[in-house]
Amino acid sequence: DAGVTQSPTHLIKTRGQHVTLRCSPISGHKSVSWYQQVLGQGPQFIFQYYEKEERGRGNFPDRFSARQFPNYSSELNVNALLLGDSALYLCASSPQAVGRPDFMNTEAFFGQGTRLTVV
Amino acid sequence: AQSVAQPEDQVNVAEGNPLTVKCTYSVSGNPYLFWYVQYPNRGLQFLLKYITGDNLVKGSYGFEAEFNKSQTSFHLKKPSALVSDSALYFCAVRDPILTGGGNKLTFGTGTQLKVEL
Repeated sequence: DAGVTQSPTHLIKTRGQHVTLRCSPISGHKSVSWYQQVLGQGPQFIFQYYEKEERGRGNFPDRFSARQFPNYSSELNVNALLLGDSALYLCASSPQAVGRPDFMNTEAFFGQGTRLTVV
Repeated sequence: AQSVAQPEDQVNVAEGNPLTVKCTYSVSGNPYLFWYVQYPNRGLQFLLKYITGDNLVKGSYGFEAEFNKSQTSFHLKKPSALVSDSALYFCAVRDPILTGGGNKLTFGTGTQLKVEL
């Protein structure tokens, strides 16, 4: 079975531009989360989507947005890029289900990430 | 909010020796703790998790972790280190999000493990 796939793997953007990152979860996983990992730091939570609804948002500005499609794939959009947005963006999928007893204890499976460089 | 701390930026160990990567946590309620490993230019790979039950948790690639409630620690261990274990290790805690009903992983700052011949 395919794991979590993200595209593109690398991209370079100019300050002020817009970027869209894509993620396909493991088949059957309905929960998708996005994380930002700046060099030398641990991943920081950006969004969680479950069944196409936003279930959580981290401490990121409104320039960051996301959505989940009927096939559970997801997009992360970042507008008006800043140099500080340069990072590895990680997508994670999980079989966890809201309301189920194992909602908190299910591990997340991560993609290889998209390396975004803003110049 | 829940949090984890990894007090060591780097751990060096000789191949064949036991290794320990430290993690302490701060949670309200039951702790849901995880260890992940990251190789250069790669995403995170799940190693193991503690939910409830035995304090010694077995995971992938010969790793295990010891949960200690009184010391609020969840240290990662391996009896005999390999050069191929050299990577960046992250401890994480599952943190509920009250608005929206979701949850998230809150990660530590990571510990670089270097295993030398």
